[in-house]
Amino acid sequence: GQQLNQSPQSMFIQEGEDVSMNCTSSSIFNTWLWYKQDPGEGPVLLIALYKAGELTSNGRLTAQFGITRKDSFLNISASIPSDVGIYFCAGPGGSQGNLIFGKGTKLSVKP
Amino acid sequence: NAGVMQNPRHLVRRRGQEARLRCSPMKGHSHVYWYRQLPEEGLKFMVYLQKENIIDESGMPKERFSAEFPKEGPSILRIQQVVRGDSAAYFCASSPDLGQPQHFGDGTRLSIL
Repeated sequence: GQQLNQSPQSMFIQEGEDVSMNCTSSSIFNTWLWYKQDPGEGPVLLIALYKAGELTSNGRLTAQFGITRKDSFLNISASIPSDVGIYFCAGPGGSQGNLIFGKGTKLSVKP
Repeated sequence: NAGVMQNPRHLVRRRGQEARLRCSPMKGHSHVYWYRQLPEEGLKFMVYLQKENIIDESGMPKERFSAEFPKEGPSILRIQQVVRGDSAAYFCASSPDLGQPQHFGDGTRLSIL
């Protein structure tokens, strides 16, 4: 079945550094979604991408829909302590309404 | 504008009991999705419902699990005769239409003794 591979699995960075993470798929996607999950809470939608090549920003976050439609990237600029959490990529699965999630990138920020 | 509301936030059951998890979608959203998350894992799709209809239950175990979304009231995920392996966080999401981004609640953490 379809799979999403996220890398890196975890990152330990200094406050103020830029962060880059990516997500690759075994098949073509027509939508990419990036979510952030804090401990004990549900995933919160950060950015939605609908078109190959699309580059979308949300504050310090920028995400790109890869032109092959099999990958997506999320960048965070000038990280701050509240960026700590797990970042998930997601895309539509094979059936109606089904979202497939990657296993997440866990971000830790040292003040 | 309230988000997706799930209750209870935490639920403890003994093996063999029933667990009922409730989800009220965002206002104006008629599409509801249930997911399960194990520790250190991503979310796994279980079932997709529209008002009074199950649209896709391909991720739901064939036995003991059921879901409904009645005309009035919240969506319910029901697990009968719970076993230890049912321990997980269960998340509900809603969207205004199919293909629109899904917005998640804060989940119900189910623990089986």
